[in-house]
Amino acid sequence: EIVLTQSPATLSLSPGERATLSCRASQSVSSYLAWYQQKPGQAPRLLIYDASNRATGIPARFSGSGSGTDFTLTISSLEPEDFAVYYCQQRSNWQYTFGQGTKLEIK
Amino acid sequence: EVQLLESGGGLVQPGGSLRLSCAASGFTFSSYAMSWVRQAPGKGLEWVSFISGSGGSTYYADSVKGRFTISRDNSKNTLYLQMNSLRAEDTAVYYCAKDRGVTYYDSSGSDYWGQGTLVTVSS
Repeated sequence: EIVLTQSPATLSLSPGERATLSCRASQSVSSYLAWYQQKPGQAPRLLIYDASNRATGIPARFSGSGSGTDFTLTISSLEPEDFAVYYCQQRSNWQYTFGQGTKLEIK
Repeated sequence: EVQLLESGGGLVQPGGSLRLSCAASGFTFSSYAMSWVRQAPGKGLEWVSFISGSGGSTYYADSVKGRFTISRDNSKNTLYLQMNSLRAEDTAVYYCAKDRGVTYYDSSGSDYWGQGTLVTVSS
């Protein structure tokens, strides 16, 4: 099973700052990586698919990059509504796994 | 508007069974793969199972393999999860989610999610 490790576990930033979230896979997942945002009491929301493609309706301040084992989600300038938990997800060998999540909190 | 509405959750004793349903609307159901994803209280997301648009291909997490069965009725636009031999560690909110693709090979993330149904396994 491929393990996804997200870092940091918690990221404390202020609105307007740039956020960089990391997701590292234990083996190559090519570009089959997605990023989700989840707010308390809500279902997850797809942000990025295939490592770098923004999902429908996602603001341009969200961007994804990477391939193989190292991936990054960048939020260029944080808005108040961006503070949430972020998960990466991969598919490989007919299995899907999520990372453990990064909590983005207001500093 | 895409809508996914889960039902069937509740309290069940260890070793018991439960069947979850997910009623879909607002898109051509048979043209998209679907997944079940769960989230234990206060924990992260865990993928449970995947089914292709035709229903011909199904995949499971090792933690539920042999106990859970995913299925779909494309004539009723409904996804199911039959859960048997339930354990305390299966306690979670269960989400159904629509995939962007129709098969595993063009699966690229779940773009719509239901609000979830809570399953509690306890004596």
